[in-house]
Amino acid sequence: DTGVSQDPRHKITKRGQNVTFRCDPISEHNRLYWYRQTLGQGPEFLTYFQNEAQLEKSRLLSDRFSAERPKGSFSTLEIQRTEQGDSAMYLCASRPMGYEQFFGPGTRLTVL
Amino acid sequence: TQLLEQSPQFLSIQEGENLTVYCNSSSVFSSLQWYRQEPGEGPVLLVTVVTGGEVKKLKRLTFQFGDARKDSSLHITAAQPGDTGLYLCAAPVDSSYKLIFGSGTRLLVRP
Repeated sequence: DTGVSQDPRHKITKRGQNVTFRCDPISEHNRLYWYRQTLGQGPEFLTYFQNEAQLEKSRLLSDRFSAERPKGSFSTLEIQRTEQGDSAMYLCASRPMGYEQFFGPGTRLTVL
Repeated sequence: TQLLEQSPQFLSIQEGENLTVYCNSSSVFSSLQWYRQEPGEGPVLLVTVVTGGEVKKLKRLTFQFGDARKDSSLHITAAQPGDTGLYLCAAPVDSSYKLIFGSGTRLLVRP
């Protein structure tokens, strides 16, 4: 399967802990996005990379959140000092030159 | 602020019935995408519509983009239990093509 992959699929953590998620995009896609989806809502944009450059960050991305995409391949999203409000599905999507985005299966985060 | 509003929020129908889901906005979009999402999974792209008035068919699913490119609809004919899921409309905005999403229509097709 050559789709977008995300790891882990599920993460349960205690409030105050740090967590890191990984996204491997489709190999020829140089654009990568992170979204967050809470229960009963559509996904909301967090941040966007073109190759290794982080070009845009949403106001939703507080200073506890950091994302990287070293070498323009996989990406990581780290949340420091997690809060219960961070509980959500974190989705990664990649895009080739066109405008269609392809999503990974997501990482479900539960903060206790 | 660009918003996409979907209706209805929830739909429960019997297998074999037809249904229509709507996605509306006051903004004009260059294109609009429909996704289906199953519990615990990421959204799966169904279709992209680009031209005002465009109609696309995917088996029993018919997608239409409004003439003014502000709204779209998804019509399912003879729904099956396998159609159950969350249907999301989304549109790319600004030069980043980041997507804004509607809040979704949760469809349940009962056998």
